[in-house]
Amino acid sequence: DVQLTQSPSSLSASVGDRVTITCRASQNINIFLNWYQQKPGKAPDLLIFGTPTSQGGVPSRFSGSGSGTDFTLTIDSLQPEDFATYFCQQSHYVPFTFGQGTRLDIK
Amino acid sequence: QVRLQESGPGLVKPSETLSLTCSVSGASLRNIYWTWLRQSPGRGLEWIAFMYSTGSTDSNPSLKSRVTMSLDTSKNQFSLQLTSVTAADTAVYYCARWEGGRHGFDSWGQGTLVTVSS
Repeated sequence: DVQLTQSPSSLSASVGDRVTITCRASQNINIFLNWYQQKPGKAPDLLIFGTPTSQGGVPSRFSGSGSGTDFTLTIDSLQPEDFATYFCQQSHYVPFTFGQGTRLDIK
Repeated sequence: QVRLQESGPGLVKPSETLSLTCSVSGASLRNIYWTWLRQSPGRGLEWIAFMYSTGSTDSNPSLKSRVTMSLDTSKNQFSLQLTSVTAADTAVYYCARWEGGRHGFDSWGQGTLVTVSS
């Protein structure tokens, strides 16, 4: 199975900050890497797919980059509604796998 | 806009079979991989299985021997059966939609908590 390791596991930031979350894959997954946002009690929402492509309706402050084994989710100018947990997920190899999550809290 | 809704028992006894249904509205089942996932504090988010609209299917090797999926195009629903459940199968179960390839899971149900307990 492809292991996805996210860092950091948790992060405190302020409104207006720029934050970066990384996801490292245990083997080459090309650009088959997706990012989700999850708020308490809700299902995950797809933000970014195929590494750099934003899902429709996602604000432009969210961006993804990387390829191979190293990937990044960047959020420019954090807004109050962005405080949530973020997960990466690979769709290159079955079984599809997720990172353990990064919890983003208000500082 | 496609909407998905899980339904099924919230409590299942150990060794019995967990059965869930996902009702899809706003889209047909055609040309999509319909997917089940689950989430628990101990195991995180876990992909269980998908079934394509033609009926081809694949599942997580860790669960493969216990998982069955089916599609009912007349009702626009798909289902999951997980046999011989244990407490480790306690989780929030989600159904979701995947277009395949480099796409992500772009629509999810709200999730349903299934507890395995006697």
